[in-house]
Amino acid sequence: EDQVTQSPEALRLQEGESSSLNCSYTVSGLRGLFWYRQDPGKGPEFLFTLYSAGEEKEKERLKATLTKKESFLHITAPKPEDSATYLCAGVYNQGGKLIFGQGTELSVKP
Amino acid sequence: DVKVTQSSRYLVKRTGEKVFLECVQDMDHENMFWYRQDPGLGLRLIYFSYDVKMKEKGDIPEGYSVSREKKERFSLILESASTNQTSMYLCANSGRGTETQYFGPGTRLLVL
Repeated sequence: EDQVTQSPEALRLQEGESSSLNCSYTVSGLRGLFWYRQDPGKGPEFLFTLYSAGEEKEKERLKATLTKKESFLHITAPKPEDSATYLCAGVYNQGGKLIFGQGTELSVKP
Repeated sequence: DVKVTQSSRYLVKRTGEKVFLECVQDMDHENMFWYRQDPGLGLRLIYFSYDVKMKEKGDIPEGYSVSREKKERFSLILESASTNQTSMYLCANSGRGTETQYFGPGTRLLVL
């Protein structure tokens, strides 16, 4: 069974304290790896798609990377407005369903 | 911008009622999805559709049905609501042959 696992479940940072979120996935058959941001009470907001090992994508203070067995979401000098739950998801067949991890709840304190 | 709207943000229903949740997208995307999200269980796929009048079961279809009469509209139906269907319901869509899904704002359903 294809699986996506995120760690840690929760992360508390001080403003400006850089860190990384981890997403490990079933390697065989992965077609794409996705990162979403979800604010409380709202739907997930698309951030990045990664397709091959070595690929990197950046947006403001966020950078997503992909290796052969895991993905990282690096947060550089975070601000309180970066506080949210970050979801990782994998897709294993064309146009197919996403398999989501449980998410990492990030809290950034001023 | 991709726009996905859901008919209600909050909904309160009684056990046994028939409940309709509607999702509309304006991006001309072929694929549409319904998820539910629960603490500790994450997002779970209920049903999805790759085209008008087509539907496929996801991981947890029991107690639900769907309708897709028009390309832009995908409805989730709870035939007889039960308390264990209290949840956040999320609609998403993607274009043909692509995997990136865009989500609506969600409907928080409470079944009493």
